[in-house]
Amino acid sequence: GAVVSQHPSRVICKSGTSVKIECRSLDFQATTMFWYRQFPKQSLMLMATSNEGSKATYEQGVEKDKFLINHASLTLSTLTVTSAHPEDSSFYICSARVRGGRNTEAFFGQGTRLTVV
Amino acid sequence: QKEVEQNSGPLSVPEGAIASLNCTYSDRGSQSFFWYRQYSGKSPELIMFIYSNGDKEDGRFTAQLNKASQYVSLLIRDSQPSDSATYLCAVFSSNTGKLIFGQGTTLQVKP
Repeated sequence: GAVVSQHPSRVICKSGTSVKIECRSLDFQATTMFWYRQFPKQSLMLMATSNEGSKATYEQGVEKDKFLINHASLTLSTLTVTSAHPEDSSFYICSARVRGGRNTEAFFGQGTRLTVV
Repeated sequence: QKEVEQNSGPLSVPEGAIASLNCTYSDRGSQSFFWYRQYSGKSPELIMFIYSNGDKEDGRFTAQLNKASQYVSLLIRDSQPSDSATYLCAVFSSNTGKLIFGQGTTLQVKP
């Protein structure tokens, strides 16, 4: 399958600071990237959908000014958690959808475990 | 009603048995259906995808889709302890452009 690289895999930051998470599609062009958050023993909750060159579409209840998403190219999307607080501690996962054809399966990055102290 | 629903389980089966995982979805415009496996603390990995009504087999896995009933299932034959994980059903709708996940079913395969 296609490879999606997410970095960093684990980060601990102080409350009030910002954290940037990168998601790269290594061997394909991704028309769309999805950002999910997963709390322990819960499912993946879609936070936002980003399309290359346009603004991200955020799900209801997700603060766009707090979770900044940039999808500058067909292979890179970034999520910046601004002014992080302990309640933002979670597992963040990006997913990229393959461009073209009927193939709409999404491939996932390794995930980033964010801990805000 | 949740967009994608799964029984959270746990579903416990003995080694060698068939595990049956079920999923229902609400958006009739959904076109693509996926099963992912997720081990604790890891990202989901794609196991199967299915687009058309009927069965699709890949090794020990069989995905079944019934669009009229808005139902998709995953069968795992000859279950192994290494199959123990959470299985996530995901549905993609071209109407919304979103890939939505169910809550996942935890499978436990006992030796």
